[in-house]
Amino acid sequence: ETGVTQSPTHLIKTRGQQVTLRCSSQSGHNTVSWYQQALGQGPQFIFQYYREEENGRGNFPPRFSGLQFPNYSSELNVNALELDDSALYLCASSLKTADTQYFGPGTRLTVL
Amino acid sequence: DAKTTQPNSMESNEEEPVHLPCNHSTISGTDYIHWYRQLPSQGPEYVIHGLTSNVNNRMASLAIAEDRKSSTLILHRATLRDAAVYYCILSTDSWGKLQFGAGTQVVVTP
Repeated sequence: ETGVTQSPTHLIKTRGQQVTLRCSSQSGHNTVSWYQQALGQGPQFIFQYYREEENGRGNFPPRFSGLQFPNYSSELNVNALELDDSALYLCASSLKTADTQYFGPGTRLTVL
Repeated sequence: DAKTTQPNSMESNEEEPVHLPCNHSTISGTDYIHWYRQLPSQGPEYVIHGLTSNVNNRMASLAIAEDRKSSTLILHRATLRDAAVYYCILSTDSWGKLQFGAGTQVVVTP
């Protein structure tokens, strides 16, 4: 059974650019959640997708958006990048919305 | 949202038990208590969760106070691979949003 995978592993962007991060959920999981983890802090919830619809959102601005595809993989898009967007972005999948979440290794985004 | 309070760090000797406390005095009746851990350079990993009764699995045990205002994660025999940040989290939404705090950094010494 393949776990949650994320790509790319690392990414460097400049302020004002746009970025797309990708996540493949664990087999059979229909729910994907995204988190942002700044250095030295715990992960912060961005949003959750369930069956291709946004199912809940944390305290992040609209320039953070997402998609979920019919195979339940997901993308996180961030527009107009700011320096404070530099962080580890984590994706987690679960069998259903309130079930145990299984995390990927994350994408390390650096904004210069 | 209900919050949790954990010590910043704890040290343990290898093969000794580790008791990680968590206070959650504002917990509501439907909140589950979850524990995740994050090893260096990895995503968080599920450890255990419970509602009212004590829970055991192959990784750890979870002891929940009778009034549910606190809980303790017990690692029965710490190994060097258990060195990680341990997060105690209450799931306050039916759709399972996890609100991570700063967690407890566990250091295991040989």
